[in-house]
Amino acid sequence: DTAVSQTPKYLVTQMGNDKSIKCEQNLGHDTMYWYKQDSKKFLKIMFSYNNKELIINETVPNRFSPKSPDKAHLNLHINSLELGDSAVYFCASSRQGDEKLFFGSGTQLSVL
Amino acid sequence: QQQVKQSPQSLIVQKGGIPIINCAYENTAFDYFPWYQQFPGKGPALLIAIRPDVSEKKEGRFTISFNKSAKQFSLHIMDSQPGDSATYFCAASIEAGTALIFGKGTTLSVSS
Repeated sequence: DTAVSQTPKYLVTQMGNDKSIKCEQNLGHDTMYWYKQDSKKFLKIMFSYNNKELIINETVPNRFSPKSPDKAHLNLHINSLELGDSAVYFCASSRQGDEKLFFGSGTQLSVL
Repeated sequence: QQQVKQSPQSLIVQKGGIPIINCAYENTAFDYFPWYQQFPGKGPALLIAIRPDVSEKKEGRFTISFNKSAKQFSLHIMDSQPGDSATYFCAASIEAGTALIFGKGTTLSVSS
């Protein structure tokens, strides 16, 4: 059983489209995150949710909106996609009070 | 502003060699210093971590050395193997649930 699963694995789309990436964790963790990894492999946090409540919101364009329907899921919706949004997006989770992050396998987003 | 600086960017060693990856941080409030390992097409996975009250931690062939006064820490891989070829990230955070700040990564190649 995959601990942190993301779908889709690959996403190719045109500029201006709206797309969503889904993330689910079956570890019973309370905190979930979205990280962006650019073409140079730099990993940067975007958002963090704890028990469905937003607790970290880094400087990310308003076109990115996370949604947490329950504490096992954290989806990422992106409006009006731009070329610069092309990257690998990683979902991660952690137990409350524990710094260890468990990452999903990533979603490779390519905006054409 | 890059809070965690990592070097070198890439590293090539022979099998059995001891690659060393270095990181330096600026924020003295950081309290947790992990190293993550990432293979192509996968998400980062925690390798080993240390807190500032300890100067060294060893797990198997992996050792973290920590120098609090210099605000530096490093990863040593003993008896490196081709299977260790991956990208390694140092990171730091203030406390659980806060953003984990990553270094820019080091791509390690171990040749047989």
